[in-house]
Amino acid sequence: GAGVSQTPSNKVTEKGKYVELRCDPISGHTALYWYRQSLGQGPEFLIYFQGTGAADDSGLPNDRFFAVRPEGSVSTLKIQRTERGDSAVYLCASRGNTGELFFGEGSRLTVL
Amino acid sequence: TQLLEQSPQFLSIQEGENLTVYCNSSSVFSSLQWYRQEPGEGPVLLVTVVTGGEVKKLKRLTFQFGDARKDSSLHITAAQPGDTGLYLCAGDPNAGGTSYGKLTFGQGTILTVHP
Repeated sequence: GAGVSQTPSNKVTEKGKYVELRCDPISGHTALYWYRQSLGQGPEFLIYFQGTGAADDSGLPNDRFFAVRPEGSVSTLKIQRTERGDSAVYLCASRGNTGELFFGEGSRLTVL
Repeated sequence: TQLLEQSPQFLSIQEGENLTVYCNSSSVFSSLQWYRQEPGEGPVLLVTVVTGGEVKKLKRLTFQFGDARKDSSLHITAAQPGDTGLYLCAGDPNAGGTSYGKLTFGQGTILTVHP
């Protein structure tokens, strides 16, 4: 499709495990964002990529979280040693020349 | 840290009623956006307001940006069941530069419109 694609849509894991969440942005969008949305809350900024580089990673909560975008298109958010508090919907968005953010449907992560 | 407070958190009304959602902050934002989010989907942009005092209309929805660019409101006239959803305001502290698109979201207002 033409929108932002995120996989998996749902991920259930056990505490302490490693997870990867993938985002495929709209073709041609150079800016990519990861946000996290906890139940009953608005999204919280995690990290912003301009091309291949992380322009702003100030929202990553700790060093268990890491994100890459090696070819300036697909991005992967990596979470090590998951904790129950990491349970949330992880949203990816990309931005084109109009400045509008287009969000994917999110990856719902549940840590048991 | 810039915060956006939305009120009310929950709103349950009958079809045909009017409603207003408020978004307030002690900080100035260069622009403010309103999004609508349905269950299992990502937020979808409704409008961006940039100028203090600006009013934008989108069919039955009216958006206003405060004169000091610290607050905003969303007014829906004659609400319909199809308006049901989570409404989010989001502020951008800086236009352009590396923070553009790094939004601060309010906690959202869950609107339910009953037929």
